[in-house]
Amino acid sequence: AQSVAQPEDQVNVAEGNPLTVKCTYSVSGNPYLFWYVQYPNRGLQFLLKYITGDNLVKGSYGFEAEFNKSQTSFHLKKPSALVSDSALYFCAVRDEGGSQGNLIFGKGTKLSVKP
Amino acid sequence: ETGVTQSPTHLIKTRGQQVTLRCSSQSGHNTVSWYQQALGQGPQFIFQYYREEENGRGNFPPRFSGLQFPNYSSELNVNALELDDSALYLCASSRQTSGGAETQYFGPGTRLLVL
Repeated sequence: AQSVAQPEDQVNVAEGNPLTVKCTYSVSGNPYLFWYVQYPNRGLQFLLKYITGDNLVKGSYGFEAEFNKSQTSFHLKKPSALVSDSALYFCAVRDEGGSQGNLIFGKGTKLSVKP
Repeated sequence: ETGVTQSPTHLIKTRGQQVTLRCSSQSGHNTVSWYQQALGQGPQFIFQYYREEENGRGNFPPRFSGLQFPNYSSELNVNALELDDSALYLCASSRQTSGGAETQYFGPGTRLLVL
């Protein structure tokens, strides 16, 4: 069965420091991997996705993620955090052969960036 | 902001009642997926509609049903509401192609409270 794990409920970072939000996944086939961000009382905003090709994916707002097949990980990174990056981040996966609608989400990681 | 809209934004119902939530997809998108996000959890896939037919379903009982209209807008209907149905309901639209890697764009959600 497909699954996504976000091992950290919360990540605290000082503004200007690099940030990493961790995600590991389990699928039977090739994975399609996504990161979304959710601000309070809002829907999910798409940040980036990995389908195939270069393992380093660049997305919106300066975020990037690195796909590591051997470690089944897709960690989200940003070189320099902003206070406005504080939000809830969700990793999601879909099996290559699965229904296009069926994204499996992790529980989310709350990112807190302090000035 | 995505072009996906949902109505209403908030709703309060009592146990046993029925509810209908609405979603308008982003222009050019032909597929709508619905997710339930309980407090403190990641979204869970309910079902997807493509060409007005259900095209995949998650682990939700039959009292969760839906419709997709010719203009690709969609409804989620929940009968016999239970207290555990209290959640944020998210609609996501995408443009389905044979590749299967399309990004889903989410609306702001409808927050349902069942008393």
